[in-house]
Amino acid sequence: AQRVTQPEKLLSVFKGAPVELKCNYSYSGSPELFWYVQYSRQRLQLLLRHISRESIKGFTADLNKGETSFHLKKPFAQEEDSAMYYCALKGDRGSTLGRLYFGRGTQLTVWP
Amino acid sequence: EAGVAQSPRYKIIEKRQSVAFWCNPISGHATLYWYQQILGQGPKLLIQFQNNGVVDDSQLPKDRFSAERLKGVDSTLKIQPAKLEDSAVYLCASSYGGLGYTFGSGTRLTVV
Repeated sequence: AQRVTQPEKLLSVFKGAPVELKCNYSYSGSPELFWYVQYSRQRLQLLLRHISRESIKGFTADLNKGETSFHLKKPFAQEEDSAMYYCALKGDRGSTLGRLYFGRGTQLTVWP
Repeated sequence: EAGVAQSPRYKIIEKRQSVAFWCNPISGHATLYWYQQILGQGPKLLIQFQNNGVVDDSQLPKDRFSAERLKGVDSTLKIQPAKLEDSAVYLCASSYGGLGYTFGSGTRLTVV
C-alpha cells in the first residue's frame, strides 16, 4: 500500500541553523516524490520534485531508494521559510497514476 | 496563466444540510482532482476525473458525496447530507497528463 510518513508534526529552529524535514515512503513501484509548501493563508504549491534534482529557495531533497526516504534539507534556515511542508508521492500505474499521496505535514517555525 | 479557481472560500452549514463546491481548472488541463484535507492531516484524494470521465473515486463516500464534470471543464462536488466529520478544506487541483499539477485555494467547510 502507498504511504507517506512525516514523523515530525512540528519543527522549530533558529534563523541560520540547518533544517531537515523527514519523509519516508512505502510504494511498490517507481514513485515520483515531491515536496509541497503552504505558507500562511496561501495555497498549496510545489516546492521541488525529485526528478528535477534542483535547489529551490535553498532547499534540496535527495531520493534514497534504499532507505525509502526523501528528506528535505536547507543549510541555513530563514524566517520566511516558516510554513507547513508536505511530502507527497505520485503513483505510476493503474488507478494510482497521477494521484498524489500526502504525508500529514510538518509545521516548520524559524525563530529570529 | 490563471490558476485553479474555487468557490466559495468558506462555508458554514448545519449537519444534515447540503452543500456544493465549484472548481474551474487551468485551461487545457484534462485531469481534475478533488482532495479533502482534515485539520492536522495531509490532503486525501476523493475523486479524479480525466476529461468528464471518472478515473478513481474509490475514496469518495458515495452515500453522501457526489461529483461531476459534465463538459470536461468545470467540476462540482456535493455533500448531502453533511456530517460533522465532513468539516475540512476541500481542494481542487488540475494537471495536464500528470504535469503542471496545480492546486486551488480550497473551500473551508465547517459543519456545526
